[in-house]
Amino acid sequence: NAGVTQTPKFQVLKTGQSMTLQCAQDMNHEYMSWYRQDPGMGLRLIHYSVGAGITDQGEVPNGYNVSRSTTEDFPLRLLSAAPSQTSVYFCASSGETDRDRSGNTIYFGEGSWLTVV
Amino acid sequence: GQSLEQPSEVTAVEGAIVQINCTYQTSGFYGLSWYQQHDGGAPTFLSYNGLDGLEETGRFSSFLSRSDSYGYLLLQELQMKDSASYFCAVRFRDNYGQNFVFGPGTRLSVLP
Repeated sequence: NAGVTQTPKFQVLKTGQSMTLQCAQDMNHEYMSWYRQDPGMGLRLIHYSVGAGITDQGEVPNGYNVSRSTTEDFPLRLLSAAPSQTSVYFCASSGETDRDRSGNTIYFGEGSWLTVV
Repeated sequence: GQSLEQPSEVTAVEGAIVQINCTYQTSGFYGLSWYQQHDGGAPTFLSYNGLDGLEETGRFSSFLSRSDSYGYLLLQELQMKDSASYFCAVRFRDNYGQNFVFGPGTRLSVLP
């Protein structure tokens, strides 16, 4: 089972560059989200989606953009990279509460280590 | 808003029992989850409590008291491999159905 797959695993960007972190899940989950985790810190929600065409902001959305055109894919775009965006990024998914027993479990991708210089 | 508190660090010796507490303030509460994260890895699901009481999964147990907005993760027969960060997370109801918020994490160090 692939689960949640995110790419790239490592990326170095220059300040001002843009890039997209890719995320795909094969569990037919409606809920998908992006978190960032700074060293020694917890997970902070950037954006999330509850289905194709529906996205909303999390705790730290500034500087990031998302879209959800399919159930499987949820890319995260950095519009103009800044050193403050150096972090580890996790994509995650979860099932629908009423229809899927996995609705109380979050499945994470392996993470993307991003450095902005 | 949603907020969670948990201790930043806990240290214990191999074979011991350790309890990691989590208190939360939230609206639309559905349940409390626990996740384990080793250095350099992704968080992985440990347990979930949607109702009051104790859930047991092998050496790990999790407890929830909704009236106290409190839960804990209990790790028994500690092993070196249990050294990791542990996060509590609240699942709550929002405008679109459900969402999640994580606590700051507790770093557990298991000593020989």
